[in-house]
Parts: sequence; C-alpha cells; structure tokens
Amino acid sequence: EAGVTQFPSHSVIEKGQTVTLRCDPISGHDNLYWYRRVMGKEIKFLLHFVKESKQDESGMPNNRFLAERTGGTYSTLKVQPAELEDSGVYFCASSQFSGTGVGYTFGSGTRLTVV
Amino acid sequence: QQQVKQSPQSLIVQKGGIPIINCAYENTAFDYFPWYQQFPGKGPALLIAIRPDVSEKKEGRFTISFNKSAKQFSLHIMDSQPGDSATYFCAASVDSSYKLIFGSGTRLLVRP
Repeated sequence: EAGVTQFPSHSVIEKGQTVTLRCDPISGHDNLYWYRRVMGKEIKFLLHFVKESKQDESGMPNNRFLAERTGGTYSTLKVQPAELEDSGVYFCASSQFSGTGVGYTFGSGTRLTVV
Repeated sequence: QQQVKQSPQSLIVQKGGIPIINCAYENTAFDYFPWYQQFPGKGPALLIAIRPDVSEKKEGRFTISFNKSAKQFSLHIMDSQPGDSATYFCAASVDSSYKLIFGSGTRLLVRP
C-alpha cells in the first residue's frame, strides 16, 4: 500500500511569493488532514477534509492560506502571499475513518522556508 | 496556550538506558493519548497509544504510564538502542474527534 505522498519535499521562496503544497493521501482514505510544525514547536492542526468537503478549518492561521481537495482525491495547500512566519514543516495525514483512535498515516512533510 | 506540555526538549542516553519522556495535559475531555515517533526526513508514525481506563500499556520495549488524577502520561523505552534515536511526540485527543493536540516533541539520542 502506497503511503501518503507530499511534494515538494522542500521549498524555499521569498516573502511575498506564492507556494502550493500538494498531498496525495492513501487511496480510499476519505479523511485528509493538514498539520504544521513551526521550528521547535508542537505540531498544530490546520484543517480536516472529508472527501472534498472541509469539515474543520479552525486551525488555518489566516486568509493567506487556502486548502482545496479536488474530487476528494489529492489536496493542495496554497500560501499567498507567503510571510516569514509561515516557515515550517507542513504535514499531511490521511485516515480511512474519522476519529483519531484509528491512527493517522502521515506523509514525510514539506519543509517550507520563506526568506 | 499549549494544551499538552512535553518534557524534556532533548535527551541523550547510552545504549541500554531507559529514556523517559513526560507529558501533561489540562483538558479532562481528552480520552486518547498516542505517542508518535519521527525519524529525520519522515513523517510522524504512531508508536503506541493508551486510553485513560488503564494505567500502563506495553508494546515491546515501549511502555506508556498514565496517571489520570495527575493528568500526566509518560513514555519509557526499555533497553534503548541507537535505532531508537528520533523525535518523539506525545499527543491527546477526544476520540470522537479527528484532531490531535501534540506536545512540542523530544529529540532522543541513544549513544552506542
């Protein structure tokens, strides 16, 4: 079974530019999550999709962040315009069922550096 | 406000030692407490998890101890090996929810 795939693995952009991160969940997993870890801090929840619908986007920092999940398959997270404080590692995870008791599968993350 | 506090930030032990990582929480609604292990360049992977109806859970060399009254839980790694060197995250959630609340992570180095 292929895991959760994220790309790019690294991205370095200048402040004010736009970056789009992509996540391909495990096939058949309706639930897709985005999390972020800013350097040395905790991993924080950003949002949750069930199929193509946003169930909870309470963790999105501000309106510079836009997440989409076209057709309930892969998801993109766009940051526009990027700011220095957006630097961090962005993780995507997926699960077949909702509820953390079943465990997520995380991708390897995208390390975003805004300079 | 950090809902799950994790310590220490980093930890170095010799091979065979027993590193202990501690976490504390405030929200009494939490009822699922997983630990995730992350190797460099990889995503966090579920290692072991416990629910508050038990005080201890063992899986191989990994043990979670849970103290409901103190709202604390900890990870013990028995007979630690250099291959255990990784970052460990505790987390908590309400099981009916999908949202994990993570601690800030502990970088463990096990020296040969």
